Amino acid sequence: DGGITQSPKYLFRKEGQNVTLSCEQNLNHDAMYWYRQDPGQGLRLIYYSQIVNDFQKGDIAEGYSVSREKKESFPLTVTSAQKNPTAFYLCASSIGGRGEPQHFGDGTRLSIL
Amino acid sequence: DQQVKQNSPSLSVQEGRISILNCDYTNSMFDYFLWYKKYPAEGPTFLISISSIKDKNEDGRFTVFLNKSAKHLSLHIVPSQPGDSAVYFCAARIYNQGGKLIFGQGTELSVKP
Repeated sequence: DGGITQSPKYLFRKEGQNVTLSCEQNLNHDAMYWYRQDPGQGLRLIYYSQIVNDFQKGDIAEGYSVSREKKESFPLTVTSAQKNPTAFYLCASSIGGRGEPQHFGDGTRLSIL
Repeated sequence: DQQVKQNSPSLSVQEGRISILNCDYTNSMFDYFLWYKKYPAEGPTFLISISSIKDKNEDGRFTVFLNKSAKHLSLHIVPSQPGDSAVYFCAARIYNQGGKLIFGQGTELSVKP
C-alpha cells in the first residue's frame, strides 16, 4: 500500500537535546511538507520541499531543520533552539508543489521530559 | 495574522440532518481551497476542494460553496452520519507560492444518532 510513514508515533525528549522525526513516502511524490499542530490551532507550516536537495522555510521554521537527500525521505530535526517543541507533528506529500491535495502521515507526538 | 479562520470550534448535529461548516479568509491571492477531515491521533485526509473560479463543487454527500465577494466558503454534509464526527479543517493555497497551504483552526463536528 502506498502512503506516508511517520515514526515514531510518540517521542520524548530531554531539554537541550536535538531530536529527529522520520517521514518516508512511497507515493513517488515530488513535494513534501512538515506541519505542527497545537491544541485549538490549525496546522502551521514548518518547512516544505518541492524537489530533492531543495527546501524552503515555512511560517514557523525557527528552531527546526530539514534535509531532502532522497525523494522518499524528509526528516525533521527539532533542535534545542526550539523553545516550545511539545506538539503534534505532521508530515505530508503531494504530487507536485502546485497545491494538489496533500496526503498526510499519522503524525508524531513530541513531548519534553 | 490569521488568514484563514474557522470561527466555530465545535458543531453538533443530529444524524440525517445537514451539517454546515464555515470558513472565512482574508487574502485575495488565495486561488484554491480544500477541506480536510481529521480523526484523533491520525493525520488529516483530503475531502473536497474548489478552485477560486468556481462557486460550487459537489462530491456525494459533500458540497463546498465559495462566495468570493464575501471571502467565505462552507462545507455542507447531507445527510450527516455518526462516522462524520471528526475535526474539519479548511485550507487555502496562495497563487504562485507552490504547494504551500494555510490552514484554519478547525471545527469539531459531532453527529449524534
